[in-house]
Amino acid sequence: NAGVTQTPKFQVLKTGQSMTLQCAQDMNHNSMYWYRQDPGMGLRLIYYSASEGTTDKGEVPNGYNVSRLNKREFSLRLESAAPSQTSVYFCAITANYNEQFFGPGTRLTVL
Amino acid sequence: EDQVTQSPEALRLQEGESSSLNCSYTVSGLRGLFWYRQDPGKGPEFLFTLYSAGEEKEKERLKATLTKKESFLHITAPKPEDSATYLCAVQAHTGGFKTIFGAGTRLFVKA
Repeated sequence: NAGVTQTPKFQVLKTGQSMTLQCAQDMNHNSMYWYRQDPGMGLRLIYYSASEGTTDKGEVPNGYNVSRLNKREFSLRLESAAPSQTSVYFCAITANYNEQFFGPGTRLTVL
Repeated sequence: EDQVTQSPEALRLQEGESSSLNCSYTVSGLRGLFWYRQDPGKGPEFLFTLYSAGEEKEKERLKATLTKKESFLHITAPKPEDSATYLCAVQAHTGGFKTIFGAGTRLFVKA
């Protein structure tokens, strides 16, 4: 039972390159989230998915797209990476009492 | 606008020196207030959920309390292994599944 997994763990991109961050859960919950965490700013919601087939924008969606592939998987895509997207990205799920379980994070640097 | 402010930003304690972390919040109808612990290089780990003013929850050396405007995380006789960043977050009844996070308090406990 791995909980929430994310790949890759680290990534370095050049400005303008694209990439997809992968998230998978084996906890059988409907809601999945993508956050970014920057020093001094806390976790900010990028996109979330309340259930398979639905996605909604969060606080900072610009420059990102998401896909809820099935109940288990929720991916985050950067079409044209910018230095402002250098951050740590966390995927999370909401459990039965609204608490969230997080993946280990992806550390992204955009040069 | 829903908001969470944590103080202090950083707290340095000697082992055994009890203290409290503060989380002030404004939210349009509180669904729940959450505390998480985050170790360096890892995702946040769920600690507590508080639902209504006057509620208290305890886990080992940690005790969380809630009023209508703020929450405290009391740390009794801390040990070096309690060193981490502690995050506070809120969910509003009107916010769907969105969770608003504070920037966190970095706790350092010296032996």
